[in-house]
Amino acid sequence: AQTVTQSQPEMSVQEAETVTLSCTYDTSESDYYLFWYKQPPSRQMILVIRQEAYKQQNATENRFSVNFQKAAKSFSLKISDSQLGDAAMYFCAYRYTSGTYKYIFGTGTRLKVLA
Amino acid sequence: GAVVSQHPSWVICKSGTSVKIECRSLDFQATTMFWYRQFPKQSLMLMATSNEGSKATYEQGVEKDKFLINHASLTLSTLTVTSAHPEDSSFYICSARGTVSSYEQYFGPGTRLTVT
Repeated sequence: AQTVTQSQPEMSVQEAETVTLSCTYDTSESDYYLFWYKQPPSRQMILVIRQEAYKQQNATENRFSVNFQKAAKSFSLKISDSQLGDAAMYFCAYRYTSGTYKYIFGTGTRLKVLA
Repeated sequence: GAVVSQHPSWVICKSGTSVKIECRSLDFQATTMFWYRQFPKQSLMLMATSNEGSKATYEQGVEKDKFLINHASLTLSTLTVTSAHPEDSSFYICSARGTVSSYEQYFGPGTRLTVT
C-alpha cells in the first residue's frame, strides 16, 4: 500500500525567509500525482501546488515550489519570502492513478512564521 | 469555481442519536465524493468513497453500518452517523472530484461533530 511520510511535525521560519518542508512516499506505481495542501486554523483545505509524476520539471506557484525526486520518492515544498499568512498545517498527499483516485495524506507539518 | 459546501458546520448531538451531514458541489458535477475524518492535530483519514448512484466503498476499519453514506445525485452526498457516541466526536471533511479536472479533489469546509 502507498504511504506518505512527513518527518517534521513542526517547523518555524522567520518572516521573509525561506523554509523547506519534507515529504517522502512509497509506491510501486510509475504514474501518479502529488499535492501539497495548506490547512489554516479555519480547517479549510487549500491546494498549494501539485506535481504530475511523469513531468520532470518541478512545479512552481509564485512563492511555492517543489523539489520532486522521483527515484528517491521525495517531494519537498519550498516556501520563499515567508509571510505571516503562511502559518498553517501543511499536508503532503499522494493520489492514486486508478480506481477512485483517492488521496493518501501524510501526517502533516505545522509551520510557524515568526515576525 | 469548484466550490464544495458542507452543512451543518457544527453540530452537537446526544449520545445514541443520529446526525446527518450534507456535502454539496455547488458549481460542478462530482463524479466521486470522499469523506474524511480528522482528529485534533492529526491528519485526514479517508473513511469512504462514494460514486453517484452506487454503494460507497469503505476503508478498512470503518464501520459501514455506523457511518451511512448516500450519494443520491452528482451534487449531493450525505454522511449519517448512526447511534452516535462521544468517541465519534471529530471533524468530518468531504471532498469532491469533478468530471473535468479529475486529478484534483475540492474540499468542503468541514463539519465539527460533538457528541455529548
